[in-house]
Amino acid sequence: VQLTQSGAEVKKPGASVKVSCKASGYTFITYYMNWVRQAPGQGLEWMGMINPSGGSTRYAQKFQGRVTMTRDKSTSTVFMELSSLRSEDTAVYYCARGDCSSPSCWLDYWGQGTPVNVPS
Amino acid sequence: QSALTQPPSASGSPGQSVTISCTGTTSDVGGYNSVSWYQQHPGKAPKLIIYEVSERPSGVPNRFSGSKSGNTASLTVSGLQADDEADYYCCSYAGSDSLAVFGTGTKVTVL
Repeated sequence: VQLTQSGAEVKKPGASVKVSCKASGYTFITYYMNWVRQAPGQGLEWMGMINPSGGSTRYAQKFQGRVTMTRDKSTSTVFMELSSLRSEDTAVYYCARGDCSSPSCWLDYWGQGTPVNVPS
Repeated sequence: QSALTQPPSASGSPGQSVTISCTGTTSDVGGYNSVSWYQQHPGKAPKLIIYEVSERPSGVPNRFSGSKSGNTASLTVSGLQADDEADYYCCSYAGSDSLAVFGTGTKVTVL
């Protein structure tokens, strides 16, 4: 199993960023994909998840209205777009395979992380 | 949804044990048997070491063990080794509205 993320991004406040995560080594549609971020020197924060099979999404309340998760089944890739960026969104963004949609939350494989920098 | 509470730091000598707590509420840790733990070395992605409170993924040494009592989950690392020095995060299912919440993280130092 391998999750390969896109490269580092630098964005201006107010802009949007779209990060990709290409999955390989397993059947793409059989596992949810989650996005987790980590601000510099801070802890992990769950942002939301997408069901690659049907495309349904669930977002953490904090990001509702600003985050959009999509997938492309033809390339086994999921995308996370965050809009209206502010300096507080500066973080490393990880994709992680796993299921937090039922009373059992686990994330067993992680991408390498994509740094996003939003200078103030 | 507030982050689960972990001690900022913990330490132990090689060969000793260290236990990290993760305190939540009846809406997350106490309400479900769905606590997972992650180990993160500096500059690296987190790694799953415990899921469903006490289950270990394949390849994770049995020196790592998990438990839960009420609203508090715990991770114990026995026979501490130098490579165990890392940040550790708990995570819990938090119901159908919030879904998932992480802990504040604990830095483990091997003396």
